[in-house]
Amino acid sequence: AQSVTQPDIHITVSEGASLELRCNYSYGATPYLFWYVQSPGQGLQLLLKYFSGDTLVQGIKGFEAEFKRSQSSFNLRKPSVHWSDAAEYFCAVVRGNQFYFGTGTSLTVIP
Amino acid sequence: NAGVTQTPKFQVLKTGQSMTLQCAQDMNHEYMSWYRQDPGMGLRLIHYSVGAGITDQGEVPNGYNVSRSTTEDFPLRLLSAAPSQTSVYFCASSADRGNQPQHFGDGTRLSIL
Repeated sequence: AQSVTQPDIHITVSEGASLELRCNYSYGATPYLFWYVQSPGQGLQLLLKYFSGDTLVQGIKGFEAEFKRSQSSFNLRKPSVHWSDAAEYFCAVVRGNQFYFGTGTSLTVIP
Repeated sequence: NAGVTQTPKFQVLKTGQSMTLQCAQDMNHEYMSWYRQDPGMGLRLIHYSVGAGITDQGEVPNGYNVSRSTTEDFPLRLLSAAPSQTSVYFCASSADRGNQPQHFGDGTRLSIL
């Protein structure tokens, strides 16, 4: 069963515009959730994580994400996108000892 | 501090050949894992280890073998390479199993002809 779903394969935004990348998870218990970013030819870098507590978490590079249990979502947001944010973004959930990644959302930023 | 180091960065194999992808970390992490990344599929877990001498299968273990004789090293072996194993392979490590972020290597791009 798919543990993490990223509905948007590709998103294009203008520089300076706001961004929201969607992530839905399927897991009965309180999940550990992560967002990672991957630049071309690179490994994955952690943007932020949620374990418990405050449902709005702040990450690096001006990103934030909100955990909504009622919607089984953990969407990533940024108020103003920079050209350097163009990359692939992955949501991940931990289930037991295993990480499950979504299929990724590719972000294009246009001037 | 190197973090997670993967070698080689690129490799081309012929069908049926075997090879080992190397992964080493210098952070004294107990948890290490191998993923393959394919277009449109995200990252899929191949094998993981929660400590020296302990390994387990992930989502897509067939055709791959691992061992963990030391905390630092977690090699991935392809027993008999097949074109379906053409992929980018990532090794990752974390300080604890499951509830700590993983640190990723830069990947090995593997092509099987």
